[in-house]
Amino acid sequence: ELKVEQNPLFLSMQEGKNYTIYCNYSTTSDRLYWYRQDPGKSLESLFVLLSNGAVKQEGRLMASLDTKARLSTLHITAAVHDLSATYFCAVGPFSGGYNKLIFGAGTRLAVHP
Amino acid sequence: DAGVTQSPTHLIKTRGQQVTLRCSPISGHKSVSWYQQVLGQGPQFIFQYYEKEERGRGNFPDRFSARQFPNYSSELNVNALLLGDSALYLCASSWDRVFDEQFFGPGTRLTVL
Repeated sequence: ELKVEQNPLFLSMQEGKNYTIYCNYSTTSDRLYWYRQDPGKSLESLFVLLSNGAVKQEGRLMASLDTKARLSTLHITAAVHDLSATYFCAVGPFSGGYNKLIFGAGTRLAVHP
Repeated sequence: DAGVTQSPTHLIKTRGQQVTLRCSPISGHKSVSWYQQVLGQGPQFIFQYYEKEERGRGNFPDRFSARQFPNYSSELNVNALLLGDSALYLCASSWDRVFDEQFFGPGTRLTVL
């Protein structure tokens, strides 16, 4: 069974601190995505990682991909309150010829003073 | 350019009723996918339609059906609603069938009482 596991599921961070969210997946996939979701809202695309060793950065967030370990990380640098949200990783597509994404359960991030 | 649009925004139904949700993709996108997101979980793939044909289906019962129209908009129908169908239903569009990044709409919040 295809699985995408994120940890931690809940993360309470102090402003200014650094932390990393981990995303493990159980099968080969062409791409890995990171999304942000604010309460009651839709998914906002953050990063698309296409190949082994890919690293992308946007502001205080940096994502990386290790396809051999089937692991992606989302690193948060000097957290600020505006980063409070739920972060999802997703993998896909897979063999079968259609664009299906499998999501992790999400990491709920709360940044406090 | 307009993004993915969905209607209605919110919907309340009772058990046993039927519901139809609507999605308009980004202009030029030919693929529409539907996802169900139960509160506190990651989205789960329901269907993908491309060029008006079903291209992929997730692990959902036959009560769930969908179609895509010549203008590439799509409807998701759910019959015989159960309490467990309460969720945020997300529509995503992409240009091609398999590899193009999916862009998510704002979602329809369905509550089944």
